Order: sequence, then C-alpha cells, then structure tokens
Amino acid sequence: QKEVEQNSGPLSVPEGAIASLNCTYSDRGSQSFFWYRQYSGKSPELIMFIYSNGDKEDGRFTAQLNKASQYVSLLIRDSQPSDSATYLCAVILYGNKLVFGAGTILRVKS
Amino acid sequence: GAGVSQSPSNKVTEKGKDVELRCDPISGHTALYWYRQSLGQGLEFLIYFQGNSAPDKSGLPSDRFSAERTGGSVSTLTIQRTQQEDSAVYLCASSITSGTHLEQFFGPGTRLTVL
Repeated sequence: QKEVEQNSGPLSVPEGAIASLNCTYSDRGSQSFFWYRQYSGKSPELIMFIYSNGDKEDGRFTAQLNKASQYVSLLIRDSQPSDSATYLCAVILYGNKLVFGAGTILRVKS
Repeated sequence: GAGVSQSPSNKVTEKGKDVELRCDPISGHTALYWYRQSLGQGLEFLIYFQGNSAPDKSGLPSDRFSAERTGGSVSTLTIQRTQQEDSAVYLCASSITSGTHLEQFFGPGTRLTVL
C-alpha cells in the first residue's frame, strides 16, 4: 500500500457542480493533512490544511477528515473552469515526514 | 525576496555530467525542502534542511545526489554522473519552521533533462 493514495483521475465535473477529491493514508497516527493545487507547468500551492476530525470550510473549499477511516477529502463547490488542475494530498507521516500523493487531475467543463 | 527562487529554470545535460541546482528560500524561512516530480507523478521527497543541517536525507535516491545549505539560506542540490532517469522537475520549498511542515512555499522548479 502506498503511504498516501489518490485516484489519478481525471475527474470531470460540469461547471457549477461539486467536485469531490479523496485521499487515503497509511499511518493511523498522522495528525496533519494538506491539500495543494498544481496548475499544469506550475508549482504546487497550499489551499487547505486540516488537523481535526470533521469538516473545515474556506470559501468554496471544504476539507473533510476521518482519522478512524484514514481518509481526507476535498470538496469544491460551484466548480469553475479555473479550478481545473491537479490536486495533491499531503500527509505528515510518522511524526515528521511530509508525503505527497500522486495527485488527482480535475477537469471542470463549461 | 518575494518568493522562493530557483535556478536554472531549465537544464539540459548529457548523461554522465554533473549538475548543480540552486534554491533561494524566502528570507527568514529556516526550513528548506527539495522534491523531485517526474512527468505525471506526485512529489518525491528528497531532503530537508532545518537551518544548515539536514535531519532527513532519507529521500535521496542514490549517493550521486547530495545537497548542502550554507548560511541558513541558499541551498544547492548536486547530481553527479547524471542518468536519464534523473530527468524530472526539481522543486524547492521553504517554510518558516519545520516543526509542523506548515505552509511550504514552492519555487518554480528546475526542469532537468538528461540526454
């Protein structure tokens, strides 16, 4: 099992829909979780972080964390074509190692 | 500076040559990270520095790879005797501290092509 797993996609959603991106991780003791967005040919940029079980909302983005099931998800409401990018899940494993998933490609079609 | 800078932006080299990649972190950021990203892949952690010391070198793929950081600022990643499989984008990131790996700011990357 990979330490941080994501479906590579592409995930295609129509403009205005909710995009749901999922990530699972291997270390039950992980405490810190991050979502980065990476546009083609660009560097990753942090869009959300979450430490506690439950939901964290920031504008159109909601991060959801379920430590018992070892998954973290990112919901994007009212998806826009400008949201089309690769979304990278990152998890701090084993106390201090930040590990990235391979990313999910999101395509929002107008 | 305003952000993390890396140089060169592109590097084409011949197999067997050595290359040096440079990273200038955000001023005041004590933690610095090197990652590698191959086409269509996620980020592969290589090494991180807290100040000038490297507590975690576990990601360096072979002894051909080395990195140093001087003055708590600029870092160089050196790849000796480059191989074609070293071709990738090498990303550097910095953060204010390594305590929680919170908010790593990434540079634009160096695209390395080994012919």
